[in-house]
Amino acid sequence: GENVEQHPSTLSVQEGDSAVIKCTYSDSASNYFPWYKQELGKRPQLIIDIRSNVGEKKDQRIAVTLNKTAKHFSLHITETQPEDSAVYFCAASHKGYTDKLIFGTGTRLQVFP
Amino acid sequence: DSGVTQTPKHLITATGQRVTLRCSPRSGDLSVYWYQQSLDQGLQFLIQYYNGEERAKGNILERFSAQQFPDLHSELNLSSLELGDSALYFCASSPRGLTEAFFGQGTRLTVV
Repeated sequence: GENVEQHPSTLSVQEGDSAVIKCTYSDSASNYFPWYKQELGKRPQLIIDIRSNVGEKKDQRIAVTLNKTAKHFSLHITETQPEDSAVYFCAASHKGYTDKLIFGTGTRLQVFP
Repeated sequence: DSGVTQTPKHLITATGQRVTLRCSPRSGDLSVYWYQQSLDQGLQFLIQYYNGEERAKGNILERFSAQQFPDLHSELNLSSLELGDSALYFCASSPRGLTEAFFGQGTRLTVV
């Protein structure tokens, strides 16, 4: 079945450094790739998403890149701040068909002041 | 507030019992997803409904079932509960198209 792998499982960075989280997906028909941030005890919330017809998308300090050929996509956070500390989940979906949204296993990001 | 409402927020029950978790999606959203999140674990996809019909199934146990009603709210039924079923259960909803899923606050189930 569909599978999304996410690495690393934990990531510690110094404030101001960049953080990169990588995901690979198995279903070549996937066409929608969101990233969610989950703070402790809270619901996952969308931070950025990308569709299969786009290779890169930026929103202030956050960017996502997509390589459809290799079936992988990455989240880049620049100038990290302590409030970026959370668990980040990538996901992949074949919207318009099953719409099933499959999540990666999550990356726990810690930003040290 | 995402607009997705889940009840109850907390539930404590004994092994062998049956519980029902309820989800009201955002107004206009036809898709409802259910996810299970165990302690320090990821989001495990259980099942998805679209406009009242089952659209996709994940690793949902046979002891678990769900349905989506004509008013689009959904219920997840968990029966013959085991200690390992203790988890945070999230419901999410989304409109049609290439857009995000909005999560509810979750129901924390504790089986003792």
